Amino acid sequence: EIVMTQSPATLSVSPGERATLSCRASQSVSSNLAWYQQKPGQAPRLLIYGASTRATGIPARFSGSGSGTEFTLTISSLQSEDFAVYYCQQYNNWPPTWTFGQGTKVEIK
Amino acid sequence: QVTLKESGPVLVKPTETLTLTCTVSGFSLSNARMGVSWIRQPPGKALEWLAHIFSNDEKSYSTSLKSRLTISKDTSKSQVVLTMTNMDPVDTATYYCARIPYCGGDCYSDYWGQGTLVTVSS
Repeated sequence: EIVMTQSPATLSVSPGERATLSCRASQSVSSNLAWYQQKPGQAPRLLIYGASTRATGIPARFSGSGSGTEFTLTISSLQSEDFAVYYCQQYNNWPPTWTFGQGTKVEIK
Repeated sequence: QVTLKESGPVLVKPTETLTLTCTVSGFSLSNARMGVSWIRQPPGKALEWLAHIFSNDEKSYSTSLKSRLTISKDTSKSQVVLTMTNMDPVDTATYYCARIPYCGGDCYSDYWGQGTLVTVSS
């Protein structure tokens, strides 16, 4: 089973600053990686798929990069609505199996 | 408008079988390479994928839970059903269903239900 490891567990950032979140896979997942945002009491929301493609309606301040085993989600200038937990997810093979990372909480500094 | 809605018991007893239903609208479960997934999240913890089912009826299960899970669909009713046997208090979680719009090179979920909290307790 592919294990996804996210770091850091918690990231304290001031509004307007840049946030960089990392996700590492235990083996190559090519570009088969998605990022989700989850706010308290809400379902996850798709941000990025294919490692770097923004989902419909996602602001340009969110960007994804990486391939293979190392991935990054960057929020260029944090807005108040961006404070949330972020999960990476790999999808691989057919039929696909998924694995989520343990999440990174982005909190207000 | 795409929506998914989970339904099922709020409380189950240990050793019982959980049956959850995901009712979808705004798309058809027969669309090519479309799928529906079940994911759960224990309180305060991370997301855990459980199972997928696709339009061609192909299924995929979490390795660690495979022996306890069964996923099925009724395309005419726009429903996907997940059963989990031998429930335990550690299975207490919010259970989500989510749509996979097309599983080809990419296979992610674009729409999620609101989730349903299931508590396992005697």
